[in-house]
Amino acid sequence: EPEVTQTPSHQVTQMGQEVILRCVPISNHLYFYWYRQILGQKVEFLVSFYNNEISEKSEIFDDQFSVERPDGSNFTLKIRSTKLEDSAMYFCASMMAGAPQYFGPGTRLLVL
Amino acid sequence: AQRVTQPEKLLSVFKGAPVELKCNYSYSGSPELFWYVQYSRQRLQLLLRHISRESIKGFTADLNKGETSFHLKKPFAQEEDSAMYYCALIASGTYKYIFGTGTRLKVLA
Repeated sequence: EPEVTQTPSHQVTQMGQEVILRCVPISNHLYFYWYRQILGQKVEFLVSFYNNEISEKSEIFDDQFSVERPDGSNFTLKIRSTKLEDSAMYFCASMMAGAPQYFGPGTRLLVL
Repeated sequence: AQRVTQPEKLLSVFKGAPVELKCNYSYSGSPELFWYVQYSRQRLQLLLRHISRESIKGFTADLNKGETSFHLKKPFAQEEDSAMYYCALIASGTYKYIFGTGTRLKVLA
């Protein structure tokens, strides 16, 4: 069964550095998402992406965040200048219209 | 505002006992509701969606619009049911999930 994959599984970075989290959605899916889960807290929506543009974003998704689908298979989340409070698990998800979302295994980001 | 509430952070039951994980939602329209499960060190997986009305791994959930609830139930808990359970809704016209805070289910031998 096809799965959403994410790399890396863990990332440690210094505050102020840029990070890129990568996701490969399921190949025939059209909608792509990033979610964040701070340790001990709930899963929070960051952004949705459809037809090569952002369709919705939350108030968490400020100017330091960006998403891209550079080559038709990867879907990336870039954090330009990381802050301590960006430390979290980041989940990618994808779906077809009207279907449930399928989640990746997550990338655990630690900002020091 | 759209909200999903899971009042219990932790629920412990003995193997073979019935289990009910509570979920209440706040939404003025007709949401689509889901239960996702996250086993230890694994990804979030879809367990149930209310429109399919299926029973998966013995779990069922009924949407009660009057009480705005979508509680997850299983008559006889198994040890392998121990996991984190998240209730989520999608508001009509959007494709983003709003998650509850999750309930950790521990099934004791």
